[in-house]
Amino acid sequence: AQSVAQPEDQVNVAEGNPLTVKCTYSVSGNPYLFWYVQYPNRGLQFLLKYITGDNLVKGSYGFEAEFNKSQTSFHLKKPSALVSDSALYFCAVRVDTGRRALTFGSGTRLQVQP
Amino acid sequence: DADVTQTPRNRITKTGKRIMLECSQTKGHDRMYWYRQDPGLGLRLIYYSFDVKDINKGEISDGYSVSRQAQAKFSLSLESAIPNQTALYFCATSGPSGSGETQYFGPGTRLLVL
Repeated sequence: AQSVAQPEDQVNVAEGNPLTVKCTYSVSGNPYLFWYVQYPNRGLQFLLKYITGDNLVKGSYGFEAEFNKSQTSFHLKKPSALVSDSALYFCAVRVDTGRRALTFGSGTRLQVQP
Repeated sequence: DADVTQTPRNRITKTGKRIMLECSQTKGHDRMYWYRQDPGLGLRLIYYSFDVKDINKGEISDGYSVSRQAQAKFSLSLESAIPNQTALYFCATSGPSGSGETQYFGPGTRLLVL
């Protein structure tokens, strides 16, 4: 089985401040982990992924995420938030073996205030 | 992503009607997926296909069927639509295992069942 949890429905930050969007996962094996972003009236866009290797993954638009195996977490971070980062963010996971599809979290709405 | 197209973009139908949502991709990917998005529930997998002859049920396949007419086309049907199938539907594609499995999403179809 595989599952992912995003414990915060919404995260509010001021522009220029660092942001963190939390994600924890559960898989029976090694995980592939992803972050996607959805802007209003748009499909999901890929931000970054962890497959193997360096635990710190850098992605699009200045975002990064850190894979922490002991805490089964993959939190999304950005050092300085922009108003244009306001969107819905989804974490996703799948186990690295077998013919499986991704399992998505319920999403976290990020609101960056000017 | 313009490489993944969905038709129609919006659809209003009545309870009991049969409708089909279509997805086409020009990315040359073997794997295609159908998800539905509901507020607070994230994306839930309806069906997925790893190639033309390999179709699998997702977590919420009841009330839906699919057809993989070609590598590039994957259609979702609601045999007898009901109001709780009102949702935003997304098609996605990905490359084969080992390519990182990033999924690329279409723009979505907004379905309202009256």
